[in-house]
Amino acid sequence: DAGVIQSPRHEVTEMGQEVTLRCKPISGHDYLFWYRQTMMRGLELLIYFNNNVPIDDSGMPEDRFSAKMPNASFSTLKIQPSEPRDSAVYFCASSGELYEQYFGPGTRLTVT
Amino acid sequence: SQQGEEDPQALSIQEGENATMNCSYKTSINNLQWYRQNSGRGLVHLILIRSNEREKHSGRLRVTLDTSKKSSSLLITASRAADTASYFCATDAGGYQKVTFGTGTKLQVIP
Repeated sequence: DAGVIQSPRHEVTEMGQEVTLRCKPISGHDYLFWYRQTMMRGLELLIYFNNNVPIDDSGMPEDRFSAKMPNASFSTLKIQPSEPRDSAVYFCASSGELYEQYFGPGTRLTVT
Repeated sequence: SQQGEEDPQALSIQEGENATMNCSYKTSINNLQWYRQNSGRGLVHLILIRSNEREKHSGRLRVTLDTSKKSSSLLITASRAADTASYFCATDAGGYQKVTFGTGTKLQVIP
């Protein structure tokens, strides 16, 4: 298996633009997680899905953030409009029956 | 808020020495996990210890868990330069799949 795949790996955008991050989980995993990592706040859970259904989105910062999982092999995290304080590394992770999570390589987002 | 807090924040040792890092948490857990993150990469799962276990080994890794003190430690024996990374504990805080990551310990192993 190729592991968790994220795209793009790097994204530079201007404030106010829409940003879409993409994730393909490991086949057979029924949990998918979106995290954000910054120096100041560490690793924060934004939202997680079970069998494509959002279970807990309490970590989503505000209405500018939205996430979808239309099927078992694809998820998106969208920020609209983006702001400089959204600059961070965004990770997608997936897990199956066991609790260990498999992380993707991350998307480094820079909003100028 | 962070469920887990690692200590120390940073640790620098010589290759071949042992490295110990600690994690304290606040609420009851079902299990505790340790992850490693190399610079610029995603986290990699190392080991999981359940709340009814006191010690667990995996290769050069030894994890202990003291639920009465709400703390865990990760020991890396005979460290190598390749062990240079940040190490995070993750606790489930009652929900099995949802975990909260600690602040991390940055380990540097000097060749």
